[in-house]
Amino acid sequence: QVQLVQSGAEVKKPGASVKVSCEASGYTFTGYYMTWLRQAPGQGIEWMGWIDPNTGATKYAQKFQGRVTMTSDTSINTAYMELIRLTSDDTAVYYCARDWYSGFHDVFDYWGQGTLVTVFS
Amino acid sequence: QSVLTQPPSVSAAPGQKVTISCSGSSSNIGNNYISWYQQLPGTAPRLLIYDTNKRPSGISDRFSGSKSGTSATLDITGLQTGDEADYYCGIWHDTLSAVFGGGTKLTVL
Repeated sequence: QVQLVQSGAEVKKPGASVKVSCEASGYTFTGYYMTWLRQAPGQGIEWMGWIDPNTGATKYAQKFQGRVTMTSDTSINTAYMELIRLTSDDTAVYYCARDWYSGFHDVFDYWGQGTLVTVFS
Repeated sequence: QSVLTQPPSVSAAPGQKVTISCSGSSSNIGNNYISWYQQLPGTAPRLLIYDTNKRPSGISDRFSGSKSGTSATLDITGLQTGDEADYYCGIWHDTLSAVFGGGTKLTVL
């Protein structure tokens, strides 16, 4: 069965960076884009971007351009999301999700359990 | 502030039907397929509806989606206490990015 297992919670100081991992199993890792999303406390879902593990191509939301880097290691079926220059506004649960193209649009059919990143001085 | 507008909350009694709306414009909902996600308390979202009105394997037929013009709806029939959750509509924009509604909290009274 498809599983996405993310790394554990992180506490960071303002100005620091964080790197979250997402290990995939149960499907062909290079066959699907991996998307990263986040959810601030009590807030909605925010799309951050995707990576194609097959080619390394990425697409980032404009809001995060210059601060986010998404990478993948196909030898261990793991995707990574690094966010730099953290501020308190980056405190959120970060999710990886498999990006599945239904034939009409992309949807997120499997999600990781989430990684809480707290930015705290 | 999302371009997709959802009511902050809806409520209904067990066994009843509830409708959650997602309003937009011709450039987003009017021109795209809709997805819906359910987020139970303390858990990750899960895909509930895709292609506007299709259910993934394992999703109950009590959940159904539709669209008319620039508005989409998620209907939940035979409400159960286990349906209490936040529900999000979403689209895949032609700029190769995803957009979500602000979410609707469903309370089963």
